[in-house]
Amino acid sequence: DSGVTQTPKHLITATGQRVTLRCSPRSGDLSVYWYQQSLDQGLQFLIQYYNGEERAKGNILERFSAQQFPDLHSELNLSSLELGDSALYFCASSPRGGVAPYYGYTFGSGTRLTVV
Amino acid sequence: GQNIDQPTEMTATEGAIVQINCTYQTSGFNGLFWYQQHAGEAPTFLSYNVLDGLEEKGRFSSFLSRSKGYSYLLLKELQMKDSASYLCAVRDYNTDKLIFGTGTRLQVFP
Repeated sequence: DSGVTQTPKHLITATGQRVTLRCSPRSGDLSVYWYQQSLDQGLQFLIQYYNGEERAKGNILERFSAQQFPDLHSELNLSSLELGDSALYFCASSPRGGVAPYYGYTFGSGTRLTVV
Repeated sequence: GQNIDQPTEMTATEGAIVQINCTYQTSGFNGLFWYQQHAGEAPTFLSYNVLDGLEEKGRFSSFLSRSKGYSYLLLKELQMKDSASYLCAVRDYNTDKLIFGTGTRLQVFP
């Protein structure tokens, strides 16, 4: 157990629907990062939150949004789902969010989203 | 922005040594990471380099040359369980976000 909890582990939904993926970071970590990994693709950075505020944004679609709550858990909302959104969605956390000495990422086990 | 290149696939034999290369171009560098990822699983941390040179950790070593934008991961005494994808990632100076390459899928044969 890495300490980063993602729910649900699997999700199957229809095109056009909306889903919410949840991530609880490791205890004490302030930063949460969301990544998308499509089949045989690398990890694509979506968005980062640090202590409740958005810190960095990647190539996140407008149909996708995220937030980090006061208890530091984060949710990734995916709407108007398309077949191409089927992927593994990983959350990672780290203690800090800015310029700092080395702090590693800890990844959750991921949510596998299948859009049918 | 960042651009990270690594070979798509490599094969090797059990007990051998393999070197996986990674080249990068980045506007703000604050360290290079290597992760291992088995299919369908989360990436797990292998190594970190921020200064030039070699970092050794058991059977795995990683090298960095910042002036050349180049790193490699060296795996010695390969085992079947080393069959996995190996991801090179560069950390952004301002935000700590990691930008990953597409990964190198390594297959180890008996």
